[in-house]
Amino acid sequence: SAVISQKPSRDICQRGTSLTIQCQVDSQVTMMFWYRQQPGQSLTLIATANQGSEATYESGFVIDKFPISRPNLTFSTLTVSNMSPEDSSIYLCSVEKSQDTEAFFGQGTRLTVV
Amino acid sequence: KQEVTQIPAALSVPEGENLVLNCSFTDSAIYNLQWFRQDPGKGLTSLLLIQSSQREQTSGRLNASLDKSSGRSTLYIAASQPGDSATYLCAVSSGYSTLTFGKGTMLLVSP
Repeated sequence: SAVISQKPSRDICQRGTSLTIQCQVDSQVTMMFWYRQQPGQSLTLIATANQGSEATYESGFVIDKFPISRPNLTFSTLTVSNMSPEDSSIYLCSVEKSQDTEAFFGQGTRLTVV
Repeated sequence: KQEVTQIPAALSVPEGENLVLNCSFTDSAIYNLQWFRQDPGKGLTSLLLIQSSQREQTSGRLNASLDKSSGRSTLYIAASQPGDSATYLCAVSSGYSTLTFGKGTMLLVSP
């Protein structure tokens, strides 16, 4: 298994500001992902965080809005930029030790934009 | 495009009942299927992972089955307890670790 520490656990932010979410894993992992869960909805993949290169974004998500860093095999950050109330969601970090193996999730960051 | 459907959307049962949660997916070309539990406002806890070559997996009171050809999986919970109350999510991997999630089944087990 993998133990994932995600910070902050929750935050209330003003519109137009940015928030950076951190994801720390207790062991080296190949795959790291960022998901969004909007109120009452299931999870949607935002991007795959690639170590040493630019993240791979899913359709509908862009780097300018959701810049991602992954400096090493145990850490990643997701920034939600120029926030609006529509960005209010739970953001979740996920890891897999290698491709197409068991996925593990952090406890999530509950973001409210006012 | 893979689509995952979970039935029922919500389920309320008295403590002690055995219950079945259903998950169906449209594209049978999957690598694996995973069941998760999510408590309100929290992250996901992995319950069971079934590889595409497997038929079922068991962990304690939980048993998950997979019929890849028909695009179906079931999660069986034996002797349900109030602590089992949560939302249960099914997710399939269609390669490159791309998980597609269902909308979940919200389970309430009353004492």
